[in-house]
Amino acid sequence: QQPVQSPQAVILREGEDAVINCSSSKALYSVHWYRQKHGEAPVFLMILLKGGEQKGHEKISASFNEKKQQSSLYLTASQLSYSGTYFCGTPVNNAGNMLTFGGGTRLMVKP
Amino acid sequence: GAGVSQTPSNKVTEKGKYVELRCDPISGHTALYWYRQSLGQGPEFLIYFQGTGAADDSGLPNDRFFAVRPEGSVSTLKIQRTERGDSAVYLCASSLLREGREQFFGPGTRLTVL
Repeated sequence: QQPVQSPQAVILREGEDAVINCSSSKALYSVHWYRQKHGEAPVFLMILLKGGEQKGHEKISASFNEKKQQSSLYLTASQLSYSGTYFCGTPVNNAGNMLTFGGGTRLMVKP
Repeated sequence: GAGVSQTPSNKVTEKGKYVELRCDPISGHTALYWYRQSLGQGPEFLIYFQGTGAADDSGLPNDRFFAVRPEGSVSTLKIQRTERGDSAVYLCASSLLREGREQFFGPGTRLTVL
């Protein structure tokens, strides 16, 4: 089952903050976050692993609540370049790195 | 270094035709993935290669879809008897073998079946 993302869309002014949520109906051992700009390939942002380990970029933070099977991506002091669609991905199964992605959250940052 | 490349970037075909989509992963990446993305949706997993073998093809929608990676590098996704519902952007990604590694996506092939 694919994870569920909320909200579906967000409009921000430059400098404002946003939170994007991702929840799953099954137990997770990792959550992956990607950003995709229109007409481009998805670009890696962050991986959150069970046990609290994070691998990702310095300017974006995220949380992973294993018990609640949820993850949240925190975008602070947003910049115009943050605009795009954010996807969370969760493992298809425990045997590899294949991901099932949520429906995406469209973020638009305006000047 | 070079990223993941995919060819062609666009492919228009007629219903019932056969198409091949090519993916060149990042050198040294043993894991390769194919995804399909419809407009307004997240990528949908199709098949995963570990080296030359298809480690997981559970995402392939039916037996019209097939993929190979004969030498453990370049991969080809093959679609027989194309249908209008196959129209989508087909994305390829590669990563190092270990779990929890970021996937590097290619620019995709936009397939349109008329």
